[in-house]
Amino acid sequence: KAGVTQTPRYLIKTRGQQVTLSCSPISGHRSVSWYQQTPGQGLQFLFEYFSETQRNKGNFPGRFSGRQFSNSRSEMNVSTLELGDSALYLCASRDSNGYEQYFGPGTRLTVT
Amino acid sequence: QQQVKQSPQSLIVQKGGISIINCAYENTAFDYFPWYQQFPGKGPALLIAIRPDVSEKKEGRFTISFNKSAKQFSLHIMDSQPGDSATYFCAASINAGNNRKLIWGLGTSLAVNP
Repeated sequence: KAGVTQTPRYLIKTRGQQVTLSCSPISGHRSVSWYQQTPGQGLQFLFEYFSETQRNKGNFPGRFSGRQFSNSRSEMNVSTLELGDSALYLCASRDSNGYEQYFGPGTRLTVT
Repeated sequence: QQQVKQSPQSLIVQKGGISIINCAYENTAFDYFPWYQQFPGKGPALLIAIRPDVSEKKEGRFTISFNKSAKQFSLHIMDSQPGDSATYFCAASINAGNNRKLIWGLGTSLAVNP
């Protein structure tokens, strides 16, 4: 099976703009989680989607939103970008009964 | 109570030495404890995992030691190699009402000197 894919891999945006990141999970996986990773902060959980419904949510402001489509592909949107949003954004998928999360390579977002 | 505390934050080991990373948790409802390895520019990948009914699990040079009474678990990397240089994350999984959650440690940056 193909792994988790994320597009784009790299992105440079200006403060105040918005951005949309995309994630395609492993075929058959219905759960998609998003994480923000910055140096020294580990993996900060953003949200999880399962069958098009947000199931869990981390402690991020409302500028961060997401959605999941019927084919389990997911998008994450960040509006009104701030310099502090510069990070590696990781997507992970899991099957319904599985314990393990499988990560994509991430999207490196730089906000200038 | 949902936290997983990981230490040390960074670790430098000589080639051939033993790398040890520790994690501690509070919630006894956690029922699955994975370790993930992340190389620069890549997403984390599952390395090894253990359930609380087992005290030790070994896969090649990687061993998880689990102490249920102390609520601690650790990753041991035997005969550490420069290729093991990466960031390691411990995690703990809990089933919260048919909704499985994964709680992460903050990570340990391991450097193995040749």
